[in-house]
Amino acid sequence: KNEVEQSPQNLTAQEGEFITINCSYSVGISALHWLQQHPGGGIVSLFMLSSGKKKHGRLIATINIQEKHSSLHITASHPRDSAVYICAVRPYNNNDMRFGAGTRLTVKP
Amino acid sequence: NAGVTQTPKFQVLKTGQSMTLQCAQDMNHNSMYWYRQDPGMGLRLIYYSASEGTTDKGEVPNGYNVSRLNKREFSLRLESAAPSQTSVYFCASREGLAGSYEQFFGPGTRLTVL
Repeated sequence: KNEVEQSPQNLTAQEGEFITINCSYSVGISALHWLQQHPGGGIVSLFMLSSGKKKHGRLIATINIQEKHSSLHITASHPRDSAVYICAVRPYNNNDMRFGAGTRLTVKP
Repeated sequence: NAGVTQTPKFQVLKTGQSMTLQCAQDMNHNSMYWYRQDPGMGLRLIYYSASEGTTDKGEVPNGYNVSRLNKREFSLRLESAAPSQTSVYFCASREGLAGSYEQFFGPGTRLTVL
């Protein structure tokens, strides 16, 4: 079983819809990261969280450390949000990251 | 700043051939990483270099070697390529030591081994 599980694997939405992507993990962590992989392949960091909630534009990330769960929300989704969203965790006392398999989001106009 | 650069972008090899994937960063980062990405799986760490002069195995090191040539450059070598090494390879760097844990990724190298 992977240490980091994401759901759903694939998600198709209509423009304007509210999107939620979930991440569950099984190890104790010092931080969780959300990354975006563009259709061209490039990967960029969106958020790093160790507690609570962060917001950047239309993107909101939350984490519940006790439940070992994080969500990434996109409000008023747009076709340019189409990408693979990757959850990654940094275990305690370890500089390595553990990555989820990603959620492929397609937003249709 | 170019960030993290990788060459080549695409490569096709025959089984048994060797090649080196190059990675360079211009952010003065201490730590550098090589990952592979396969369909349906998360990025998996092949090797990393916590600082110049050090390298360590990651989750899937078999069939690969690395060289941290200097602070900027971290190369990945396949000595005898196998079809199981068909993948997309990403190099990443981060400030390391006591700095930020955010990793910066290169554009990737798509490798096919026939």
